[in-house]
Amino acid sequence: QKEVEQNSGPLSVPEGAIASLNCTYSDRGSQSFFWYRQYSGKSPELIMFIYSNGDKEDGRFTAQLNKASQYVSLLIRDSQPSDSATYLCAVTPQGGSEKLVFGKGTKLTVNP
Amino acid sequence: DTGVSQNPRHKITKRGQNVTFRCDPISEHNRLYWYRQTLGQGPEFLTYFQNEAQLEKSRLLSDRFSAERPKGSFSTLEIQRTEQGDSAMYLCASSVQGSGNTIYFGEGSWLTVV
Repeated sequence: QKEVEQNSGPLSVPEGAIASLNCTYSDRGSQSFFWYRQYSGKSPELIMFIYSNGDKEDGRFTAQLNKASQYVSLLIRDSQPSDSATYLCAVTPQGGSEKLVFGKGTKLTVNP
Repeated sequence: DTGVSQNPRHKITKRGQNVTFRCDPISEHNRLYWYRQTLGQGPEFLTYFQNEAQLEKSRLLSDRFSAERPKGSFSTLEIQRTEQGDSAMYLCASSVQGSGNTIYFGEGSWLTVV
């Protein structure tokens, strides 16, 4: 079982719609959860992090965490063509490791 | 604000040659990480430094890979006797201790082994 799973997509949404990106993780003891955006040929860029159950909002982005279900999601409201990228979910495993474990990413395309 | 700086940005090398990448972290960031990313995959953790101490290494880091951070500032990642399977983007990231693993990546160093 992969540690962090994401639907590879592509996920296609029209401009102005809400894009919903999902991620599940296997390590129940994971404490920290991150979303990175990666444009083609570029390095990952941190957009959100969340530590506690519930929602965390930052501008057009909302991260949602449900530790009981081992599920974290990212909502992008009013999607723009510039949001077209691969979105990577990452978690910190339990046990004191400082590494992040990444999923393979979901490719999002926002159509004008 | 200067971000994480990596060089060279691109490197093409012949199989069997050695290559070295350099990373300069964000100033005041005492933690430095190396990751590797291949096409269609998420970044994979290689190793991590806190100041000059290398505190964690992945099993992915074979004997051909060595990383150093001699003065707790910049870091180097050397790959000896490169193989075609080493072709990837090598990402450096940095963070501040106590920031909850919030790491910021550099632009990456692309390695192509021919």
